[in-house]
Amino acid sequence: DSGVTQTPKHLITATGQRVTLRCSPRSGDLSVYWYQQSLDQGLQFLIQYYNGEERAKGNILERFSAQQFPDLHSELNLSSLELGDSALYFCASSVGLGQGFNEQFFGPGTRLTVL
Amino acid sequence: AQSVTQLDSQVPVFEEAPVELRCNYSSSVSVYLFWYVQYPNQGLQLLLKYLSGSTLVKGINGFEAEFNKSQTSFHLRKPSVHISDTAEYFCAVSVTGNQFYFGTGTSLTVIP
Repeated sequence: DSGVTQTPKHLITATGQRVTLRCSPRSGDLSVYWYQQSLDQGLQFLIQYYNGEERAKGNILERFSAQQFPDLHSELNLSSLELGDSALYFCASSVGLGQGFNEQFFGPGTRLTVL
Repeated sequence: AQSVTQLDSQVPVFEEAPVELRCNYSSSVSVYLFWYVQYPNQGLQLLLKYLSGSTLVKGINGFEAEFNKSQTSFHLRKPSVHISDTAEYFCAVSVTGNQFYFGTGTSLTVIP
């Protein structure tokens, strides 16, 4: 158990809909990262938040957005869903930014299925 | 930009045999290198990392990897695998230590 929690575990929805994925980081971690894992694209970095502020952006679509709240939990919002958005979405957290390596601890993921 | 190539998508190996999972990276600047393991229905777990110093790094569960700058490789090895090593293995590279670029993964299947 990494200490990172994600809800829900599974989500099934239809094309065109909007969903929200939730992540609670490990106690004391200030950084939250979101990743998408799909069969065709592999594991891709989407976005990073540090203490409520966006710090880095990866291959995140404009239909997707995220935020980190004052209690440090984060939400990933996916809208106008398409079949290709079906994937496993991981959240990870780390202590902070710092210089050098900050180990990321991954949650168990949310499996999104778009029908 | 950085990229990671894992040449082998699937590696079957018999129990107690040695294994090597290959990883090559591309970067114009110095990078940090990592191997992560993903067991079925779980998130990723850090196996080992190269930040600086000795090019041979040891990780958990008896795994080790060697950083070869001239060949831009970071291959993962284990001298004797167990059934419990069956999992997906990801090589990753990072410049900042925060944003990671992952390879497409290698599925290791240990055969009894």
